[in-house]
Amino acid sequence: EPEVTQTPSHQVTQMGQEVILRCVPISNHLYFYWYRQILGQKVEFLVSFYNNEISEKSEIFDDQFSVERPDGSNFTLKIRSTKLEDSAMYFCASTGQTPSTDTQYFGPGTRLTVL
Amino acid sequence: GESVGLHLPTLSVQEGDNSIINCAYSNSASDYFIWYKQESGKGPQFIIDIRSNMDKRQGQRVTVLLNKTVKHLSLQIAATQPGDSAVYFCAEVAAGNMLTFGGGTRLMVKP
Repeated sequence: EPEVTQTPSHQVTQMGQEVILRCVPISNHLYFYWYRQILGQKVEFLVSFYNNEISEKSEIFDDQFSVERPDGSNFTLKIRSTKLEDSAMYFCASTGQTPSTDTQYFGPGTRLTVL
Repeated sequence: GESVGLHLPTLSVQEGDNSIINCAYSNSASDYFIWYKQESGKGPQFIIDIRSNMDKRQGQRVTVLLNKTVKHLSLQIAATQPGDSAVYFCAEVAAGNMLTFGGGTRLMVKP
């Protein structure tokens, strides 16, 4: 069964450093997403991406964040200058042709720890 | 503001019993809802979905009920097993294509 994969599973970084979280969505999917989950809280939407551009983003997704699809398979989330409050689980998700009615499938997540 | 929320933060059931997890939503324009299961340290896992033109949908041991009149969604798990222990989230597809998650209910299954 196809699945979304994410690397690394755990990333530890110093405050102010840049991090790149990587995702490989399901191969025939067209819409890609990043969500985050601060420990003990609910999952929050960050950004959606389609046709090589951002289609929606939340208030959380400020200028420190960026997304990219550098090739035909990877989808990345970059945080330019990490803050302590960026510590969270980051989940990538993807969906197929019709995002309003197709299920979003989630990856296992990357745990980001900012020291 | 409009939101998706859960009534019970923790539900403890005996193995073999049926479980019912509830969710209230306030966005009457939502027409697609999903239940996700999240085990510790893992990403949300799709369980079952339902569209607003349906009242009920059944899967393997799971049933989702949608009451549009009172904007209520429920997940029923039959013959709950220890492996069902997890946090369950309802989510709705909001404007565009982003998911809005509820706060989650932790299901604990006692052997």
